[in-house]
Amino acid sequence: QITLKESGPTLVKPTQTLTLTCSFSGFALTTSGVGVGWIRLPPGKALEFLAMSYWNGDNRYSPSLRSRLTITKDTSKNQVVLTMTNMDPVDTATYYCAHRVVIWGWVGYFDSWGQGTLVTVSS
Amino acid sequence: EIVMTQTPLSLAVTPGQPASISCKSSQSLLHSDGKTYLYWYLQKTGQPPQLLIYELSKRFSGVPDRFSGSGSGTDFTLTISRVEAEDVGVYYCMQSLESLTFGGGTKVDIK
Repeated sequence: QITLKESGPTLVKPTQTLTLTCSFSGFALTTSGVGVGWIRLPPGKALEFLAMSYWNGDNRYSPSLRSRLTITKDTSKNQVVLTMTNMDPVDTATYYCAHRVVIWGWVGYFDSWGQGTLVTVSS
Repeated sequence: EIVMTQTPLSLAVTPGQPASISCKSSQSLLHSDGKTYLYWYLQKTGQPPQLLIYELSKRFSGVPDRFSGSGSGTDFTLTISRVEAEDVGVYYCMQSLESLTFGGGTKVDIK
């Protein structure tokens, strides 16, 4: 059974850097065709893809947020970490991590998700 | 960036009646391998999104057969043949041909 859980601060100040950790079980991020991604849902808005880490070391980012995002993985701990710099109130959202079945390149789907963590950006 | 546009924004359906949601992409999602990389997710209140349909029309494991996906090129439809109370939530289409982008969502309620 695949499970994922997001952890990190619930409140960050504008201009600060957000660090979120996705801890997972039930799969290995060394297995071919596996990825972990981050997606967020701002209140009243739509889902937005942020970043993905692949089993082969490839990382992919949202083109519009690429300059602010870094995704890393620790396969020994079964964790994926997302950092987002220069946080702004518009970044207030529920942040989800999800298991990805990678077909090739960008192609694939998220089939298991964490429950999400709400991050509020406010001074 | 491929832009995904969903209509309607919201939909109220009588239980047992059909419902359809439209999704249009700014460019074709048909790949040279013959597959169309369009997905549908449902997010129920207080829950993470759940995958319903992948590659245009394939139902994910455990998804009831009242859900079906169709379309081609840039125009897609999610159809619920007979809406049940448990189907309420926000439906999103998503493409994964170039980066990943979601539609704006369609909220489905029961009348």
